[in-house]
Amino acid sequence: IAGITQAPTSQILAAGRRMTLRCTQDMRHNAMYWYRQDLGLGLRLIHYSNTAGTTGKGEVPDGYSVSRANTDDFPLTLASAVPSQTSVYFCASSDGQGDYNEQFFGPGTRLTVL
Amino acid sequence: GQNIDQPTEMTATEGAIVQINCTYQTSGFNGLFWYQQHAGEAPTFLSYNVLDGLEEKGRFSSFLSRSKGYSYLLLKELQMKDSASYLCAVMSSNYQLIWGAGTKLIIKP
Repeated sequence: IAGITQAPTSQILAAGRRMTLRCTQDMRHNAMYWYRQDLGLGLRLIHYSNTAGTTGKGEVPDGYSVSRANTDDFPLTLASAVPSQTSVYFCASSDGQGDYNEQFFGPGTRLTVL
Repeated sequence: GQNIDQPTEMTATEGAIVQINCTYQTSGFNGLFWYQQHAGEAPTFLSYNVLDGLEEKGRFSSFLSRSKGYSYLLLKELQMKDSASYLCAVMSSNYQLIWGAGTKLIIKP
């Protein structure tokens, strides 16, 4: 693994189903993030984790949950998917030290909820 | 509220120069980032400004004026591969990034 990986690449999901998007990084970064990207809108932060064992809510957390059991993995779960959660989801990580906090992004998961 | 504004779309000619502007109003300021995103791909880091002035990196330069809440990304000697969206993001007081909607840059031969 080099950088950040996400799985699946894309998914079509029936409304009401549960879904977990996976994210793994091998850079030993402290901080990790989940964003959604919708046409015409900027990246919006769903949840974040500043270090293993801690998580926080971003701008649009409703309907999503996360966990951070270790440094490398940061899964995002949709407990009961709804069509408004159709989006492209990006996981990112950063060293989280100081002001210069460049975020590195995974390739994204394209999710369609029908 | 927090707001970042950038033009939705710009068109430029191969070999030319283009300037993409970004204005922001945020709760606190801990730096401004520019990212490039090709269609269907992830954003990748281009530049970071935390002090006023110009940062130059090859064909790309980024400028910041904190007093005006303004930044621009300058791309010189445009190449077809520069066709992409350019995202402006501000690190606010809680060290989270606030993102603009992005500027789609179309390069014509």
